[in-house]
Amino acid sequence: KAGVTQTPRYLIKTRGQQVTLSCSPISGHRSVSWYQQTPGQGLQFLFEYFSETQRNKGNFPGRFSGRQFSNSRSEMNVSTLELGDSALYLCASSLDAGSGNTIYFGEGSWLTVV
Amino acid sequence: DQQVKQNSPSLSVQEGRISILNCDYTNSMFDYFLWYKKYPAEGPTFLISISSIKDKNEDGRFTVFLNKSAKHLSLHIVPSQPGDSAVYFCAASANNNDMRFGAGTRLTVKP
Repeated sequence: KAGVTQTPRYLIKTRGQQVTLSCSPISGHRSVSWYQQTPGQGLQFLFEYFSETQRNKGNFPGRFSGRQFSNSRSEMNVSTLELGDSALYLCASSLDAGSGNTIYFGEGSWLTVV
Repeated sequence: DQQVKQNSPSLSVQEGRISILNCDYTNSMFDYFLWYKKYPAEGPTFLISISSIKDKNEDGRFTVFLNKSAKHLSLHIVPSQPGDSAVYFCAASANNNDMRFGAGTRLTVKP
């Protein structure tokens, strides 16, 4: 069974640009969550999608957005990039969200903003 | 809002000894807790979990203890091996809610 796949793995953008990251969940998983990891900050929750609907959202500005497609694949977009957006962006999938559900992570997308 | 806290950013242990990683949470609605392990340049991998109806769950060398009254959980690794060196994240979730993570503890197991 293939794991969670994220593309691209590495990318460099300049301030003010926008970026789109892609995530393919484990087959059969309908919940997709996105996290940002920066040094010393752990994993910060961005948002979670289930059946194409955003169910939960973390404390990130509106520049961070996402969507989920009918095949459960998800994308996240960051507009007007800032230097502080440089981080590892992790996608995770599970059968469903919430109690009792283990989430499984992809390898992540390393974003560097210069 | 740091609902899940790992107050020790790092821990160093000798090979063969016990590693104890700690985690505290503030949200009493959390009822499912997990530990993830992360190597550099890789995504976190699931290690072990525990439901709030239990106070202990064991899987090989890994045991997770949950103290609901103290809102505290810990991960014990016995015996510790050099390959256990990684960053460990604890996570918690409530029914129909997102999963929250701690900041992580970097474990170093010395040969």
